[in-house]
Amino acid sequence: IQMTQSPSTLSASVGDRVTITCRASQSISSWLAWYQQKPGKAPKLLIYKASSLESGVPSRFSGSGSGTEFTLTISSLQPDDFATYYCQQSNDYPLTFGGGTKVEIK
Amino acid sequence: EVQLVESGGGLVQPGGSLRLSCAASGFTFSDHYMDWVRQAPGKGLEWVGRTRNKANSYTTEYAASVKGRFAISRDDSKNSLYLQMNSLKTEDTAVYYCVRGGGSWEPFYCWGQGTLVTVSS
Repeated sequence: IQMTQSPSTLSASVGDRVTITCRASQSISSWLAWYQQKPGKAPKLLIYKASSLESGVPSRFSGSGSGTEFTLTISSLQPDDFATYYCQQSNDYPLTFGGGTKVEIK
Repeated sequence: EVQLVESGGGLVQPGGSLRLSCAASGFTFSDHYMDWVRQAPGKGLEWVGRTRNKANSYTTEYAASVKGRFAISRDDSKNSLYLQMNSLKTEDTAVYYCVRGGGSWEPFYCWGQGTLVTVSS
């Protein structure tokens, strides 16, 4: 299952509402997760089962979608949010990731 | 606190072998599926493979790019996960992460800090 993220790069300012899209090449139901990765660090789970917020993750992060179309939304971008974001499907093997979306400072 | 600590990375020649280890603590290791995920320099994330838990007979799954060359094993008595890598290629150069899964369909909950494997002559 191929996962396609858009955009690949996003320039935004602190306080902006940011939306990242992830599309699956076939239906994955709600078996989608989102991760945040900062340079030189391991990824961190943000959202699982498309819309469930992982414990400890700020509520400004939210996920939605099912089937083949999914979105990650950051309601008000904070300085700590500048990072690369990946979607990942767990519906079928091989488990696959999207190509990533880098959120940069505008 | 969940901790996953990888070791065993380094420089190896093409065609060579390397064994990575991951020491787990802070959770009941034997209950969980465990995965390896890698990231080539400057690139995205790639799932390498998985070992299920004892309840699911320790069965394994692999990405097509490593199937037949890599083998994942675990020792629940030592809370340890392993990745045996054989017939290494330059394209296997990456940071390798040990990851705690849940069960089928679940996400990658916790990640180690990663260990760098460089395949070069």
